[in-house]
Amino acid sequence: GAGVSQSPSNKVTEKGKDVELRCDPISGHTALYWYRQSLGQGLEFLIYFQGNSAPDKSGLPSDRFSAERTGGSVSTLTIQRTQQEDSAVYLCASSPDYMSTDTQYFGPGTRLTVL
Amino acid sequence: LAKTTQPISMDSYEGQEVNITCSHNNIATNDYITWYQQFPSQGPRFIIQGYKTKVTNEVASLFIPADRKSSTLSLPRVSLSDTAVYYCLVGPMDSSYKLIFGSGTRLLVRP
Repeated sequence: GAGVSQSPSNKVTEKGKDVELRCDPISGHTALYWYRQSLGQGLEFLIYFQGNSAPDKSGLPSDRFSAERTGGSVSTLTIQRTQQEDSAVYLCASSPDYMSTDTQYFGPGTRLTVL
Repeated sequence: LAKTTQPISMDSYEGQEVNITCSHNNIATNDYITWYQQFPSQGPRFIIQGYKTKVTNEVASLFIPADRKSSTLSLPRVSLSDTAVYYCLVGPMDSSYKLIFGSGTRLLVRP
């Protein structure tokens, strides 16, 4: 079946603009995660959804970052007034549930470049 | 969440066995150990997971000593396509949605 998909694959924007990143999880997966990966670095947890609710938003770097998930499926990560330090690959993952024993399936990521 | 320590990089040659060790001295009783693999320009991919002793699947083996303060990912007969970053993660089985990825180990397999 289809894996996790993300769009766009690449996004170049100017400083100060808003961007929206989309994630389509694997059908039936209740848990959805957003991570950020800067060049050559490990992954940084941003936010997690269980269904449509986000029990943990603690990883969001600032109030310019927000995310929502509708219908227990698609999720959108929005970054307002982008800054150059927001440049990174944004990865989305989904899993059947939120247990650590559940494999997280990752999408290919969206490479965001803020000029 | 338990902190993990891995070598930054490793080099190997095709056909060799590669062992990557991860230290997690403050692992908790209900923590699992999971390894992910990441190729360039791709998201991480699950390799193997274990709690204690030895786990083996079609890709790798995971060795966990009795004290569980470390674990070793073993890749048999590596090929060039095994060149990737390998991440060791430790988290509780009941609510570890927040996987903590460290910097990982960059494995380079040479011809």
